[in-house]
Amino acid sequence: QVQLQESGPGLVKPSETLSLTCIVSGGSISSYYWSWIRQPPGKGLEWIGYMYHSGSTNYNPSLKSRVTISVDTSKNQFSLRLSSVTAADTAVYFCARSVSQVSGYDYWGQGTLVTVSS
Amino acid sequence: EIVMTQSPATLSVSPGERATLSCRASQSVSSNLAWYQQKPGQAPRLLIYGASTRATGIPARFSGSGSGTEFTLTISSLQPEDFAVYYCQQYYSWYTFGQGTKLEIK
Repeated sequence: QVQLQESGPGLVKPSETLSLTCIVSGGSISSYYWSWIRQPPGKGLEWIGYMYHSGSTNYNPSLKSRVTISVDTSKNQFSLRLSSVTAADTAVYFCARSVSQVSGYDYWGQGTLVTVSS
Repeated sequence: EIVMTQSPATLSVSPGERATLSCRASQSVSSNLAWYQQKPGQAPRLLIYGASTRATGIPARFSGSGSGTEFTLTISSLQPEDFAVYYCQQYYSWYTFGQGTKLEIK
């Protein structure tokens, strides 16, 4: 059974960089697409970006200038960096898997709340 | 950006009855649409992809239909565990979600 687990600081100061890691267990990170999705408290879902196991990436145009997603296949994990954060970036951040670029997300992490505050 | 609009925002239905949730895309997404269920404090759960294909392990009471810009999720006989928030998502051009429909007990 594939499992995803997010980890990282729960509190980030404004203007700093948010960094999260998603550890994939029960399956290989190869041959799938790995995404980050966020959900502000009480609101809907926003796709941040994805990467393929080869390292190719695609980002939400509205966040592209601030987002970097990377993979470490040796550790079976991938990471998110979001720079210059503001209070508007406060959200639950989920990592998720999709079989292809044109499919739904079949496995999700439990999510981790990141609060941007001084 | 393709905007997904779900209706109604809240739907009140009694257990055992049928629920019909709608999702409209601002432009055609063909059949590149998924439905998710989300319960409080949990991650979304994939129900339907390709507009009408049930994901692994999803009960047959969940069905999806539609193509182009109009889509429907139907739950044929509501069970207590079905009361949750439901989201549609298009993956035709980038990825955008609807704002959600809260399905509550009547």
